[in-house]
Amino acid sequence: EPEVTQTPSHQVTQMGQEVILRCVPISNHLYFYWYRQILGQKVEFLVSFYNNEISEKSEIFDDQFSVERPDGSNFTLKIRSTKLEDSAMYFCASSDRLSTDTQYFGPGTRLTVL
Amino acid sequence: KQEVTQIPAALSVPEGENLVLNCSFTDSAIYNLQWFRQDPGKGLTSLLLIQSSQREQTSGRLNASLDKSSGRSTLYIAASQPGDSATYLCAVKPRDTGANSKLTFGKGITLSVRP
Repeated sequence: EPEVTQTPSHQVTQMGQEVILRCVPISNHLYFYWYRQILGQKVEFLVSFYNNEISEKSEIFDDQFSVERPDGSNFTLKIRSTKLEDSAMYFCASSDRLSTDTQYFGPGTRLTVL
Repeated sequence: KQEVTQIPAALSVPEGENLVLNCSFTDSAIYNLQWFRQDPGKGLTSLLLIQSSQREQTSGRLNASLDKSSGRSTLYIAASQPGDSATYLCAVKPRDTGANSKLTFGKGITLSVRP
């Protein structure tokens, strides 16, 4: 069964460093999302992406964040200058509105900012 | 602003029991509602999705219902097993912004099924 994959599974970085989290959505999906989950808290929406542009973003998704689909398969989330409070599990998701509209989530990348 | 609540935060039951997990949401203008399972430190596995026009969906021992007017959904698990132990999250998608729009999640219910 097709699945969303994410790399790396765990990223440790120093405060102020740039990180890029990578995702490979399900191949025939057209809609892509990033969510995050701070330990012990709710899963929160960050951004949605369709047709090579951002469709919607939350107030969390400020100028330090950016997304890109650099080729036909990868979908990336970049954090330019990480802060301690960026430590969280980051989930990528994809969906295909032509079918059930279910969002399928990847296994997540645990980001630890020291 | 949509708020999704799941109470209680944790539940412990003996194996074999039938159980109901509750989810409530404040804005009934939803496009669909999705139930997920999350194992510790892992990603989210989609269990069931109910469109706003539907009343329920079934998959194996799982049955999810939706009462949009009262802002409630339930996930029924029949004959629970220790392998069902996980956190169960519900999430709603708003109606107005179309298909490519965010899910709003509840905090989840952590279920423990005792052998």
